[in-house]
Amino acid sequence: AQSVSQHNHHVILSEAASLELGCNYSYGGTVNLFWYVQYPGQHLQLLLKYFSGDPLVKGIKGFEAEFIKSKFSFNLRKPSVQWSDTAEYFCALNTGGFKTIFGAGTRLFVKA
Amino acid sequence: DGGITQSPKYLFRKEGQNVTLSCEQNLNHDAMYWYRQDPGQGLRLIYYSQIVNDFQKGDIAEGYSVSREKKESFPLTVTSAQKNPTAFYLCASSILAGDNEQFFGPGTRLTVL
Repeated sequence: AQSVSQHNHHVILSEAASLELGCNYSYGGTVNLFWYVQYPGQHLQLLLKYFSGDPLVKGIKGFEAEFIKSKFSFNLRKPSVQWSDTAEYFCALNTGGFKTIFGAGTRLFVKA
Repeated sequence: DGGITQSPKYLFRKEGQNVTLSCEQNLNHDAMYWYRQDPGQGLRLIYYSQIVNDFQKGDIAEGYSVSREKKESFPLTVTSAQKNPTAFYLCASSILAGDNEQFFGPGTRLTVL
């Protein structure tokens, strides 16, 4: 069965620290991968997505993610986090149909 | 201003009562979805609809029902058969199939007393 695993449920960083949130999926075929973010009090929104082509995907607010097919991974990175990045981050997998599988989420808290 | 609206934001019901959560979109999207969000479990798909008058069960459809009589509207009814209905419910829509970006509403927090 398809699944998405996010390694850390809670991450605490100081401002200017680098961020990497892990995401692994299980599916042997072609995948579409997403990172969504839910800022406090706001709607869940798309951060970035990978469909095909360049495995290094750039999103909004300086975030990027790298698709490594051999590792079934799609980790999210940001070189220097800000207090405003405090949010919950969800990795998601779609294999071409209507069902998108979401990971359990990672709550990031950035200390000012 | 395009988007998805869900109402109400907070909803309280007594055990044994059915309750209907509203979801409206003015994005002209064909596909709509209902998710349940529980702490530490991410989003789980309850139902989805590809087009008017058609909908499909998701992974956790038991105890829920939906209708799609209009393109803009996809209400979710939480029935008394749902064993653990207290949760945060999110509605979403997308242009076409699920490999497109989904746009989410603000959610409804349902508490069953």
